[in-house]
Amino acid sequence: QQQVKQSPQSLIVQKGGISIINCAYENTAFDYFPWYQQFPGKGPALLIAIRPDVSEKKEGRFTISFNKSAKQFSLHIMDSQPGDSATYFCAASMDFGNEKLTFGTGTRLTIIP
Amino acid sequence: DTGVSQDPRHKITKRGQNVTFRCDPISEHNRLYWYRQTLGQGPEFLTYFQNEAQLEKSRLLSDRFSAERPKGSFSTLEIQRTEQGDSAMYLCASSTGLAQGGELFFGEGSRLTVL
Repeated sequence: QQQVKQSPQSLIVQKGGISIINCAYENTAFDYFPWYQQFPGKGPALLIAIRPDVSEKKEGRFTISFNKSAKQFSLHIMDSQPGDSATYFCAASMDFGNEKLTFGTGTRLTIIP
Repeated sequence: DTGVSQDPRHKITKRGQNVTFRCDPISEHNRLYWYRQTLGQGPEFLTYFQNEAQLEKSRLLSDRFSAERPKGSFSTLEIQRTEQGDSAMYLCASSTGLAQGGELFFGEGSRLTVL
């Protein structure tokens, strides 16, 4: 059962534009929502994460928006740059000592000049 | 470099052979995780250790898979009697604990190809 649904599967954005990737989850016990960035041949690296006590978190050009009632969260990349071209994964985990991350299927982002 | 290191980075084997992967976590991290990633998919949780104790195993981890972390430092993941469906990237990560506000640091993975 896929518990975290991610869209779109691929995304092409012009340099300087805004990239938006969406995720939806089913399990209301999830309470930690990270986004990972993965370049070809590399392991995923944490980009930004949010817990449900806030609706938005911003770090530089990256923002997570979180809608608890809709069970959705999204990643916004402002002023997208060619170096942002990578695969992005959303993920979720539960609290109470749970150490398992459930990942979405990924979005391949390409930033064109 | 004090990140998570994995060895070998690539392994090609014939169906039926056994393979073993090694992971060296970040030294101060007491949690160690194994994930599997197939092409075009997100990583899938396999198992995790707190120190030397294996605390959770996914149903994906069949009887042919075994993971150890004998002294609470490095870990090994062994796959016996490999099958073509085992072809994937095996990712190791370490952390001070998600529940403790830590983050997962992933290694670059060990890519397995079963012919």
